[in-house]
This record gives sequence, C-alpha cells and structure tokens, in this order.
Amino acid sequence: QITLKESGPTLVKPTQTLTLTCTFSGFSLSTSGVGVGWIRQPPGKALEWLALIYWNDDKRYSPSLKSRLTITKDTSKNQVVLTMTNMDPVDTATYYCAHNRGDFDYWGQGTLVTVSS
Amino acid sequence: QSALTQPASVSGSPGQSITISCTGTSSDVGGYNYVSWYQQHPGKAPKLMIYDVSNRPSGVSNRFSGSKSGNTASLTISGLQAEDEADYYCSSYTSSSTLGNWVFGGGTKLTVL
Repeated sequence: QITLKESGPTLVKPTQTLTLTCTFSGFSLSTSGVGVGWIRQPPGKALEWLALIYWNDDKRYSPSLKSRLTITKDTSKNQVVLTMTNMDPVDTATYYCAHNRGDFDYWGQGTLVTVSS
Repeated sequence: QSALTQPASVSGSPGQSITISCTGTSSDVGGYNYVSWYQQHPGKAPKLMIYDVSNRPSGVSNRFSGSKSGNTASLTISGLQAEDEADYYCSSYTSSSTLGNWVFGGGTKLTVL
C-alpha cells in the first residue's frame, strides 16, 4: 500500500532554511502521471498548497512562495525534498507531503515545524 | 483569504443530510472537473473523500457525494453520523497564474448535533 512520511527539524530560527524530506513507499516516482506534492497547514488554519514534482521532473510552485521554494526528487531513494528559505514565524505550520495522480489521494502524517528564535 | 470559498461551519442532526459549498472561478472549479474533497479530524492528516467532482475512492461511504454547477462545487453527506464531525476542505486544479496549480478552500467545520 502507499505510505508517505515527512521528516525534518521541528524548530527553525527566523531567516534559516528549512529542509523537509518525504520518504514514500508503494509507488514509483518514475511512473507516468505520478507526482508528490507538499501542503502546509498553520495551526487552526486552512490547507495551503506549496509545490509539486512530477515523474518527469516537471516542478510546480505556489506563485506566492516560488522565490523561496525548491522541490527535488531522488527516485532511487523514493524521496522528495522541499527546501524553503528565509523562514519566518508565519511559516509555522504542519507540513504534509502527498501522492498526486490528479488529486492528493494519499497523505503523510505531517510534521509540525515551529519558527521561533 | 483562501482562493475557494466555503462556509465556515455547518451543522446537522444524526440521520439528516447536509451540503457544503465550494465557490471558485472559471479558472478553477468552473473550468476543470478536478475538484476534490477532504475530511480532516483533529490532529489527523486530510483524507480524500471525493475526487474528480463526484467520484468516491474505494472504502469511502456512499453517504458522501459530490457535484458541481458552474463555479460552485458541493459535497453532500447523507445519513449524518457522529463520526462525520470533522473539518472538510475542497480543492481544485487551477490555471490561474496567481494561484499556481492547486488551490484549497478555507475549510468548513461540520458539527453533528
């Protein structure tokens, strides 16, 4: 079955760069039509789509955050990495990765990242 | 402010039916049949309930149904059960250059009275 799990720091300081890793199993990111996306959710607030990478290395970003985001994949390791630069307290949120094949049908458990000095 | 507009809250009694709306534009909800609905219980990850406007993934109760008219999509839950109490989010593919490729609604809190 398809599973995904996010990993990374739980606490980052303002201005630092956040690096999150999504490790998945049950599918291959070299299969046509498959993608892995990142979505975040500030405490008590709504979901926000951040980025998505497709099997063919096509990368899509939220325009409002594009300058700060980079998404990459390592197909051999079944991992997708998201980096976000210049972190701010407003970036405090639970960050999810999710399998995409037209919609986000499988999600990781999420990882809470707090931005504080 | 989210790109897709949902009511902040809805409520219903056990056994009743409720409908949650999700209003977008012709660049997202109205332009594509790529509308999804997600259920989220407190402290849990979202769960896909409806995809491509009206399709249910395997394992999702047939009490959940989706539809779309123009720029507004809807999620209907019939025969409300206590376990349905959760937050619900709609999502759509979008061609808007200002929104990117995927947008979510602001979420609707469903209370089962």
